[in-house]
Amino acid sequence: ETGVTQTPRHLVMGMTNKKSLKCEQHLGHNAMYWYKQSAKKPLELMFVYNFKEQTENNSVPSRFSPECPNSSHLFLHLHTLQPEDSALYLCASSQAGRTSGDNEQFFGPGTRLTVL
Amino acid sequence: AQKITQTQPGMFVQEKEAVTLDCTYDTSDPSYGLFWYKQPSSGEMIFLIYQGSYDQQNATEGRYSLNFQKARKSANLVISASQLGDSAMYFCAMREGSGSRLTFGEGTQLTVNP
Repeated sequence: ETGVTQTPRHLVMGMTNKKSLKCEQHLGHNAMYWYKQSAKKPLELMFVYNFKEQTENNSVPSRFSPECPNSSHLFLHLHTLQPEDSALYLCASSQAGRTSGDNEQFFGPGTRLTVL
Repeated sequence: AQKITQTQPGMFVQEKEAVTLDCTYDTSDPSYGLFWYKQPSSGEMIFLIYQGSYDQQNATEGRYSLNFQKARKSANLVISASQLGDSAMYFCAMREGSGSRLTFGEGTQLTVNP
């Protein structure tokens, strides 16, 4: 596997369910990100991890709980979600700490989440 | 104020023609980077091109070029010789300073007609 992978690609869950989204990067990067993309809205940054440490939580509700066990894996644990949480959840990685150059983020294919 | 503004919700172009997608940005940081991403219907965000605030030349990557006008704070994407596979959402994004956070615009839906 190369690049950034995400599983599952599609998820339908009820408001009382608990589920987890998984992201894995094979690029040797040290920073990982969770984004939420709702219809007709810009991508919203949710969480940032640098060297497995959470460095940013963009006022995300506690029903979203991230976990970064190592620099290659990132999880998003979901519980008691609301219908408005239905969206495409994108994971990305980059090489943090570079002070010059593009340092672009590489994205996974996303998980399309539907909350009933 | 919005940091990234893409004023074109949708654009249409004929196959083999060139198209310009607009992006303006707002920052007080002298060091920043500008990115363009393509998002096909499959959902994956594909990096296209990057422009650094101190770069003297406009960035180019194959059929993609970035028309960087620093004084006007614009970073328009130019796609030459459009192909049907270019139909997708296109997002402009900015990184300020040395941080890794990207701020995205609302995107432009490009449709290439045969």
